[in-house]
Amino acid sequence: DAKTTQPPSMDCAEGRAANLPCNHSTISGNEYVYWYRQIHSQGPQYIIHGLKNNETNEMASLIITEDRKSSTLILPHATLRDTAVYYCIVRAKTSYDKVIFGPGTSLSVIP
Amino acid sequence: DAGVTQSPTHLIKTRGQQVTLRCSPKSGHDTVSWYQQALGQGPQFIFQYYEEEERQRGNFPDRFSGHQFPNYSSELNVNALLLGDSALYLCASSLEGRIGGGSGETQYFGPGTRLLVL
Repeated sequence: DAKTTQPPSMDCAEGRAANLPCNHSTISGNEYVYWYRQIHSQGPQYIIHGLKNNETNEMASLIITEDRKSSTLILPHATLRDTAVYYCIVRAKTSYDKVIFGPGTSLSVIP
Repeated sequence: DAGVTQSPTHLIKTRGQQVTLRCSPKSGHDTVSWYQQALGQGPQFIFQYYEEEERQRGNFPDRFSGHQFPNYSSELNVNALLLGDSALYLCASSLEGRIGGGSGETQYFGPGTRLLVL
């Protein structure tokens, strides 16, 4: 079973920041938070991951609470092309650990 | 740098037939995982191959089998196809052996193969 809970859907106005929350209250000390997104009928795209510090890359920022029980993915300036299902995943950082997907959050960016 | 590639992109089969799907991992990656994604659901883990052996398996019947070649590419075989096997089949690659360092353990996904069983 997925170790995370996410809202099933969210809307965001184009050009505004999209803040996608994720709860992972049972996360273990060696587990990372990963985010992927899947645009309709395509393969999941890796976005970002983190352990306990906030992370930023060219796609997004990841904010992890101090107790690590929740996190927020931030898309700073959402565009229509960011419309997708966003998956928050908790897993150990080894290739051996399979990726367990939950239902994710369907983000709709509105013009 | 080529990413994960899969072939074919689409496939139509009939019940009872057998199918083989192919995956080439991202350059430098040595581990391949396969996932099944039914319409409207998240991907479900099928199995993972490393050093040409299956080392982890999800809750899928023995009709689903695989193979990894010395060049790290992989095949997924499904025998005795059922209507319920219709799905998007995803391959993901990663690099073993870099526990705790870099981003090598991140799984990168291919575009998938859409299988329709009639």
